[in-house]
Amino acid sequence: AQSVTQPDIHITVSEGASLELRCNYSYGATPYLFWYVQSPGQGLQLLLKYFSGDTLVQGIKGFEAEFKRSQSSFNLRKPSVHWSDAAEYFCAVGDTGGGNKLTFGTGTQLKVEL
Amino acid sequence: NAGVTQTPKFRILKIGQSMTLQCAQDMNHNYMYWYRQDPGMGLKLIYYSVGAGITDKGEVPNGYNVSRSTTEDFPLRLELAAPSQTSVYFCASRGGSSGNTIYFGEGSWLTVV
Repeated sequence: AQSVTQPDIHITVSEGASLELRCNYSYGATPYLFWYVQSPGQGLQLLLKYFSGDTLVQGIKGFEAEFKRSQSSFNLRKPSVHWSDAAEYFCAVGDTGGGNKLTFGTGTQLKVEL
Repeated sequence: NAGVTQTPKFRILKIGQSMTLQCAQDMNHNYMYWYRQDPGMGLKLIYYSVGAGITDKGEVPNGYNVSRSTTEDFPLRLELAAPSQTSVYFCASRGGSSGNTIYFGEGSWLTVV
């Protein structure tokens, strides 16, 4: 069965600093990979996705992620964090078979210090 | 374009009551999903549907039922509400021009007391 691990429950960074959120997945084939962001009391917004091709993918709000097959990782990065980036971030893997069901990690809560 | 619409947004239920969470999408997506989100647990799949008339269990289906009589609607029913069903519920859909990207509704906050 597929699974996702987000090892960092909470991360605090200063505004303007760089950010990297870790995500490791387990899946038997080449996965579909996603990062979603959730602000308090809100739904999930898609930041970026990887299906195939270039392993460095660009998303909205200045985020990027790199798929590394050898490390089973899909880490999310941003070169300079803004206070408005404070939110919870979820990595997810989608099965490439019927249904494309998403399996989510437990999330990383990002706090931004001014 | 409304996307995925969930109602109600907030609801308090008493133990043993029943209710239906409504979900509708206007994107002609074939695939629809119900997830629940509990603190520190991420999102867990309850049920999903690959098209009208077809539903299947996800990871945590116990205590829930679904139906998919039309492409647009995918209601989630709680028959005998229990405190363990206190959660935030998200409906999602995929298909058509969105390809493999799944789009989520804004969530329904349910408390069972």
